[in-house]
Amino acid sequence: DAGVIQSPRHEVTEMGQEVTLRCKPISGHDYLFWYRQTMMRGLELLIYFNNNVPIDDSGMPEDRFSAKMPNASFSTLKIQPSEPRDSAVYFCASSGASGGVGTDTQYFGPGTRLTVL
Amino acid sequence: AQRVTQPEKLLSVFKGAPVELKCNYSYSGSPELFWYVQYSRQRLQLLLRHISRESIKGFTADLNKGETSFHLKKPFAQEEDSAMYYCALKFGGATNKLIFGTGTLLAVQP
Repeated sequence: DAGVIQSPRHEVTEMGQEVTLRCKPISGHDYLFWYRQTMMRGLELLIYFNNNVPIDDSGMPEDRFSAKMPNASFSTLKIQPSEPRDSAVYFCASSGASGGVGTDTQYFGPGTRLTVL
Repeated sequence: AQRVTQPEKLLSVFKGAPVELKCNYSYSGSPELFWYVQYSRQRLQLLLRHISRESIKGFTADLNKGETSFHLKKPFAQEEDSAMYYCALKFGGATNKLIFGTGTLLAVQP
């Protein structure tokens, strides 16, 4: 298993442009998480899904951010329009069912480094 | 409110010295705590969880409910321990949601 897959690995765009980040979770995992990592704020949870349904999007900074999970093997995080302050590393992670020791371990993708000029 | 605090952004020690990465949490329920680690050019990964009471790569962490702490310790640091370390708190109930601290960069000098 290649683990969690994210694309692109790097994205450079100009302010105002739409950005779409993609994630393929580990097959069989029930949970999918989107995080943003910055020097100042560390690792922040943006949104997470359980069985493709968004459960908690309280971490989404504003309406410019949206996330979807149309099926169990694919999710997107979209920023429209993008702003320089969105520059960060965005991680996707997936995990198995809750409750069991070990099944709740989150497995992270390599991240997408976003730079908005 | 639930919160995880890692007071040090950077911890620099010499090889062979003891290491303690601090983590304090705020949570009204019964906490589950974890340490995740990100080595250079590698993915963020689970290091250890308090429930397992295990030692991984020489690291241990004890949950102290009285002090609401979950500090990560290693008696003798190695250069390969240099990495970013995140403390994380799992919410109770049927959820795998984690709250992460801001992370501590451990730099082990030769």
